[in-house]
Amino acid sequence: AQSVAQPEDQVNVAEGNPLTVKCTYSVSGNPYLFWYVQYPNRGLQFLLKYITGDNLVKGSYGFEAEFNKSQTSFHLKKPSALVSDSALYFCAVRDEGNTPLVFGKGTRLSVIA
Amino acid sequence: GAGVSQSPSNKVTEKGKDVELRCDPISGHTALYWYRQSLGQGLEFLIYFQGNSAPDKSGLPSDRFSAERTGGSVSTLTIQRTQQEDSAVYLCASSLLGQANYGYTFGSGTRLTVV
Repeated sequence: AQSVAQPEDQVNVAEGNPLTVKCTYSVSGNPYLFWYVQYPNRGLQFLLKYITGDNLVKGSYGFEAEFNKSQTSFHLKKPSALVSDSALYFCAVRDEGNTPLVFGKGTRLSVIA
Repeated sequence: GAGVSQSPSNKVTEKGKDVELRCDPISGHTALYWYRQSLGQGLEFLIYFQGNSAPDKSGLPSDRFSAERTGGSVSTLTIQRTQQEDSAVYLCASSLLGQANYGYTFGSGTRLTVV
């Protein structure tokens, strides 16, 4: 069965500094990996995905994520954080079949001016 | 429509009452999912509809929960005899059938409060 771990409930970073939100996964076969963001009182919005190809994936709002097969990780990164990036971030995984996405518990990012 | 629409956006109900939550997916999306978001618990998968196949009900927490999807479009999640632990945000999402590499489009959710 698939699973996702987001080891940090909360990440605090100063505006302008780089940010990393961690995610590790477990799946049989090749993983399909996703990051979603949830702003207050809003639904989840798709940020980026890794299916195959380059290990560094670029997505919306300047975010990127690096797929590391040996470490089974898919950490979300941004070179320079903005206050507007403050939100709840979810990592998700599925296998190659059409099974439902399995989500992590989420990491709350707080960017401080 | 342009996005996934859920109604109502908020629902307060008394313990023991039944509730129905509605989801209208993106036109052409044949896969539909229900998740539950509880504080500190992340997103919990409930049920999944894919085209005309039998739904995957493996995530439903008890037999008080059921869902149907009529005409391959609108879905209704029903919770019977609600309990306080059912209080959560219920999220619906849709995606293209059979496309494992596609992400989901989520609705804004229904916040259910059982008092």
